[in-house]
Amino acid sequence: DAGVTQSPTHLIKTRGQQVTLRCSPKSGHDTVSWYQQALGQGPQFIFQYYEEEERQRGNFPDRFSGHQFPNYSSELNVNALLLGDSALYLCASILVQGGGVYNEQFFGPGTRLTVL
Amino acid sequence: AQSVTQLGSHVSVSEGALVLLRCNYSSSVPPYLFWYVQYPNQGLQLLLKYTTGATLVKGINGFEAEFKKSETSFHLTKPSAHMSDAAEYFCAVSLFGNEKLTFGTGTRLTIIP
Repeated sequence: DAGVTQSPTHLIKTRGQQVTLRCSPKSGHDTVSWYQQALGQGPQFIFQYYEEEERQRGNFPDRFSGHQFPNYSSELNVNALLLGDSALYLCASILVQGGGVYNEQFFGPGTRLTVL
Repeated sequence: AQSVTQLGSHVSVSEGALVLLRCNYSSSVPPYLFWYVQYPNQGLQLLLKYTTGATLVKGINGFEAEFKKSETSFHLTKPSAHMSDAAEYFCAVSLFGNEKLTFGTGTRLTIIP
C-alpha cells in the first residue's frame, strides 16, 4: 500500500514565477491538507481540501491556491513567488468520517522549493 | 485559537539516558494532542496521540507522553535514549483529529554516544 506521495522532490524557481506541487493521498483517503515548513520552523497549515472544495484555510495570501481532483489527488499552486516562499511543502492525507471518529493523518516526504 | 510551545529548540542526552521533550499547549476546548518525529529529508511520522481517555499515552519506539490538563502540558519521554532517536520532534494540537494541526517550532534531539 503506497503512502502519501509528492512530486517533485526538489524544485528551484526564481522570484515572480509560478509553481505547482502535486500530492497523491494514501489509498482510501479522501481529504488532503497542505503545510509549509520553513527552515528551522514547524509546519504551518495552508489549507485542506475535501470533496474537491477548500474546507479550511490558514493564514496564507491568495497567491496560494489549490485544487483537488475526483481521484482525491491535489495540487498546490503558488503565484508570484517570493524569496520567503522557500520551504519544504508537506502534504497530508486522511479519511474523514462523521461522528467524531478520529483517523490518523499521514504525511508525504515533501517537496523542497527554493526561490532564487 | 490554539497554540503550542516547545521549550528547548535543542536537547542533547547521552545514549541510555532519559529523554524529556517539553510541550505546553493553549486551547479553548479539550484538544487532540500529537507528537511527530521528522528524520532528515523526510516527512513527519506520528509517534503518539492523545484524543480522549487515558492520560498516559504510549507510542512507537518506546516513547510515551502524559496529558496534564491542569498544567496544559503534553511532555514526551523515553526512559533510555538510543542513537536512532536523533531527529526533530514536533508537538501539535488540533481541535478535532481531522482538523488542521497547529505545530510547535520543534526540538532537535541529539544523542551523545
